Amino acid sequence: NAGVTQTPKFQVLKTGQSMTLQCAQDMNHNSMYWYRQDPGMGLRLIYYSASEGTTDKGEVPNGYNVSRLNKREFSLRLESAAPSQTSVYFCASRRSTLTGELFFGEGSRLTVL
Amino acid sequence: GEDVEQSLFLSVREGDSSVINCTYTDSSSTYLYWYKQEPGAGLQLLTYIFSNMDMKQDQRLTVLLNKKDKHLSLRIADTQTGDSAIYFCAESSGGGADGLTFGKGTHLIIQP
Repeated sequence: NAGVTQTPKFQVLKTGQSMTLQCAQDMNHNSMYWYRQDPGMGLRLIYYSASEGTTDKGEVPNGYNVSRLNKREFSLRLESAAPSQTSVYFCASRRSTLTGELFFGEGSRLTVL
Repeated sequence: GEDVEQSLFLSVREGDSSVINCTYTDSSSTYLYWYKQEPGAGLQLLTYIFSNMDMKQDQRLTVLLNKKDKHLSLRIADTQTGDSAIYFCAESSGGGADGLTFGKGTHLIIQP
């Protein structure tokens, strides 16, 4: 029972490099989300996808792009990484709009030097 | 905009009860959640409460909701070392696709 799977778990980048964080869920959820977690800041929503083929900005979208590849997969791309993007990134999916519960992946720890 | 506030730290003795408090501003919140995050892990849902409820109990966990004051609390009875974690309060307006709004999290520290 995998749930939400994120890759990679750890990544170190140099300023200006690009990378993509991958996320996949096997629960047949419609909605998927990317959050970042920073000390003392809690979780902040970067982008979300209400359904396959749609994406929308969250609270902190600058410097990121997303792709909802299909119902299972939602990727987050950093085109030109900056030190301010050093964070732990969490992907989540939503079981139903009735309860609103989010299921989270284990997180991807990104360091930008 | 929506805001969820929690204190950053709580220290309790093993065996005592822990009470973690949260306030929120969105009066249209329909569901309120408590998530637990252990070191190096993702967030796991502990419990949730619908806005028309005052209390929900689940084994050692008791959630109290005061909708008038927009105050939510999580009580953990007989706190154990395994309860050491960060606890996040979150709210949802229900039905929306824009995720949940989270507090900054409360670090629960267990003293022997």
